[in-house]
Amino acid sequence: DAGVIQSPRHEVTEMGQEVTLRCKPISGHDYLFWYRQTMMRGLELLIYFNNNVPIDDSGMPEDRFSAKMPNASFSTLKIQPSEPRDSAVYFCASSLIGEGQAMGANVLTFGAGSRLTVL
Amino acid sequence: AQSVTQLDSQVPVFEEAPVELRCNYSSSVSVYLFWYVQYPNQGLQLLLKYLSGSTLVKGINGFEAEFNKSQTSFHLRKPSVHISDTAEYFCAVTKPLNYGGSQGNLIFGKGTKLSVKP
Repeated sequence: DAGVIQSPRHEVTEMGQEVTLRCKPISGHDYLFWYRQTMMRGLELLIYFNNNVPIDDSGMPEDRFSAKMPNASFSTLKIQPSEPRDSAVYFCASSLIGEGQAMGANVLTFGAGSRLTVL
Repeated sequence: AQSVTQLDSQVPVFEEAPVELRCNYSSSVSVYLFWYVQYPNQGLQLLLKYLSGSTLVKGINGFEAEFNKSQTSFHLRKPSVHISDTAEYFCAVTKPLNYGGSQGNLIFGKGTKLSVKP
């Protein structure tokens, strides 16, 4: 498997523009997570999905952020309009909740991240 | 709710020296614990995990961690580090699914930057 695929790897945009980040999870995984990483706040969970359904979006900063998962192999995180404080690295991760010996274990596989710079 | 505290933001160490990266957690229920590593300009990669059983857990690249329930700690150790171990290390916690609530959420610490010098 190619792992979790994120695009674009780097995005530079101007304040007010719409930004769309994309993620392809590992095939067969049933959870998908969006995290944001900044120097000041570290890794923050924005939202996560289970079987394409949003479970917890309490980490989404404000209405300018939205995330969708139209099918099991694709998710988007959209920021509209973007602001300089949105500059960060955005990570997508996926996992399969084990049902064997490691019942309930949640081992995430991360993508390489999308570095967003809003000028 | 669970929380994770990584006590050291930066740890400088010389090559071939031992290292310990400290992690303490807070939770009202049993938890699963993880250590992830992030190399520059890359995503996070799982080093090791504690789910149950033996409290000493061995991971990749010669790292190990010990779960101490009474001290609510999960410190990461390596007896002899290499230059290539220079990276940022994250401790994380989640609760098992059978405890209900917001399942599947992994809570990360702020990270510890390990810098290995020759």
